[in-house]
Amino acid sequence: DGGITQSPKYLFRKEGQNVTLSCEQNLNHDAMYWYRQDPGQGLRLIYYSQIVNDFQKGDIAEGYSVSREKKESFPLTVTSAQKNPTAFYLCASRPRGAQDNEQFFGPGTRLTVL
Amino acid sequence: AQSVSQHNHHVILSEAASLELGCNYSYGGTVNLFWYVQYPGQHLQLLLKYFSGDPLVKGIKGFEAEFIKSKFSFNLRKPSVQWSDTAEYFCAVKLTTDSWGKLQFGAGTQVVVTP
Repeated sequence: DGGITQSPKYLFRKEGQNVTLSCEQNLNHDAMYWYRQDPGQGLRLIYYSQIVNDFQKGDIAEGYSVSREKKESFPLTVTSAQKNPTAFYLCASRPRGAQDNEQFFGPGTRLTVL
Repeated sequence: AQSVSQHNHHVILSEAASLELGCNYSYGGTVNLFWYVQYPGQHLQLLLKYFSGDPLVKGIKGFEAEFIKSKFSFNLRKPSVQWSDTAEYFCAVKLTTDSWGKLQFGAGTQVVVTP
């Protein structure tokens, strides 16, 4: 069954701790994205990657880091430098090729920093 | 600056009522347009998309949207809603020249359909 998995679904951390959110896809998509969703603000792009070992900062990359060591995996680390880390985080992927390809989304991880 | 505006943050309506959600964008170039929906507890999923051709686009679950280039708008419509249409709806825009496929999302509209 193809899709995007994000784990865990809920995550709690103490302030000052780094935390890594997992995103895996078995759709053989080249591009992957991380978004942050906050009430009333829609989705905002954190990082994106088109190929292995390459990624770019999105609109709100400060306080976050990513890696893309494998095509199917794009983990996001929320560092202690992120001022307001509590949010719902969504991972997405998109196949290369036709420009009308849309992004497909995972179920999300809700991070709460206490 | 590039932006996507959704006019209503919350909409409450009764079953069988008609729905129209506004979306306007501010982009200096040719765009591709999307409407995504997030049902309670479910993944964000694509309702419909416009890339070229007929500006009236039909999507899943009876939704449609009309691209009006002169108004920079891409409004979503459904003639008769059901309780199961309760969800959050997001408009998104991509520049056609953006090979990275990056999307800019609107703030979303929470739609509640009452029985």
